[in-house]
Amino acid sequence: DAGITQSPRYKITETGRQVTLMCHQTWSHSYMFWYRQDLGHGLRLIYYSAAADITDKGEVPDGYVVSRSKTENFPLTLESATRSQTSVYFCASRLTRAGLETQYFGPGTRLLVL
Amino acid sequence: AQSVAQPEDQVNVAEGNPLTVKCTYSVSGNPYLFWYVQYPNRGLQFLLKYITGDNLVKGSYGFEAEFNKSQTSFHLKKPSALVSDSALYFCAVRDPNSGNTPLVFGKGTRLSVIA
Repeated sequence: DAGITQSPRYKITETGRQVTLMCHQTWSHSYMFWYRQDLGHGLRLIYYSAAADITDKGEVPDGYVVSRSKTENFPLTLESATRSQTSVYFCASRLTRAGLETQYFGPGTRLLVL
Repeated sequence: AQSVAQPEDQVNVAEGNPLTVKCTYSVSGNPYLFWYVQYPNRGLQFLLKYITGDNLVKGSYGFEAEFNKSQTSFHLKKPSALVSDSALYFCAVRDPNSGNTPLVFGKGTRLSVIA
């Protein structure tokens, strides 16, 4: 019963490098989400996906790219990392059956951009 | 547009005393409301939710929340706080009448329970 896993859990990179954060869920939930958590801002939505091959921008999408070729995977790519992207990143998934919806979160990836 | 506010950044309470963490929301119709808890270096854990029905919702670890439509509030409560309840608490809202929109989260309230 793995639920949602994220990898890596910790990552240090340099400005300008490309970084991909992985997210995998075992429930076949249709919806998946990427959030970043920063002090003073709470959780901010980066991108979300309603199903495979369907993605939408959230509140803070600039500098990020997502894809969803399979229902269970939702990778987040920072094409050219900047210091402002230092943050903790959380992936989440949600079952969308009416009245039963609950959003579940992964353990997070702590990213430091030097 | 949907939004949620947690007016207190920090709540301090003595162990054994009742605790309340406040949340107010703004949606056009009937909301779906949620509380999550985050322990240090961990992801968010689901505590409880209001979808429909009884306004008093009971959740994990002895927590409960009351949906108050007239005051547009969904405060989290516990009759007797434990030191282990110390964590960051997030309220979230979704307007189901707007389709399958993402949850909108408050900025979080840090609860400290003092022994």
